Amino acid sequence: AQSVTQPDIHITVSEGASLELRCNYSYGATPYLFWYVQSPGQGLQLLLKYFSGDTLVQGIKGFEAEFKRSQSSFNLRKPSVHWSDAAEYFCAVGVNTGNQFYFGTGTSLTVIP
Amino acid sequence: EAGVVQSPRYKIIEKKQPVAFWCNPISGHNTLYWYLQNLGQGPELLIRYENEEAVDDSQLPKDRFSAERLKGVDSTLKIQPAELGDSAVYLCASSFSGNTEAFFGQGTRLTVV
Repeated sequence: AQSVTQPDIHITVSEGASLELRCNYSYGATPYLFWYVQSPGQGLQLLLKYFSGDTLVQGIKGFEAEFKRSQSSFNLRKPSVHWSDAAEYFCAVGVNTGNQFYFGTGTSLTVIP
Repeated sequence: EAGVVQSPRYKIIEKKQPVAFWCNPISGHNTLYWYLQNLGQGPELLIRYENEEAVDDSQLPKDRFSAERLKGVDSTLKIQPAELGDSAVYLCASSFSGNTEAFFGQGTRLTVV
C-alpha cells in the first residue's frame, strides 16, 4: 500500500538559515511526488512536483526538492528561509496516473527572527 | 482565471443537524476531489469524481455523508446528521483527468457543537 511519511512534526529555523523538510514514501512503482504548502486558513498551494527525468526539481518561492529512488525520499530544501515561509508543508504521492493523491501528516515550520 | 471556489468558508452547527458544502472547480477540470483534513493532519480523500461519476468513494462514510456532481461541474458534499467528530476542514480540489496536479480551494471549516 502506498504511504507518505513526514518524520518531523514541527521544525523551527532562524530567518536566513537553510531548511530541509524530510519526506519518505512507500509505493511499488515510480510515483508522482509533490510538495504543497498551506498557510493558516488557506487551501494547499503546489510548491513543486516530480514526474520523471531530472531528480532535482525547482519550485516556486525558491524551493527545490530532490528525488532519491534508493532512499524512497523526496526532501524539500530552501537555502535561505524567509519569515513568510512559516506554514504547514505537506508531501504527497500521486498514483494511478496521478489521479489519486496520498498526503503525509505535514511538517509545521516556524521561522524566528 | 478563478481557482477552485468553496463555500461557505466557515460553518458552525449543532450536532444532529444537516450541513452542505459547495465546490466549483476550475473551468475544464473534469476530476474533482473532496478531502477531509483534521487538525494537525494531512488531507484524506473522501470521494473522487471523473466528470459526474464517483470513481472512488471508498473512504466516504455513506451512512451520513453524501455527495453529488450532477452535471460534471460543481459539486455538493452533505453530512446528515452531523456529529461532533465531523469538525474539520473540508477541502475541494480539481484537476484535468490524467493530469498529475490538483488545485485546491480554501476549504470549509466545519465546527459541530
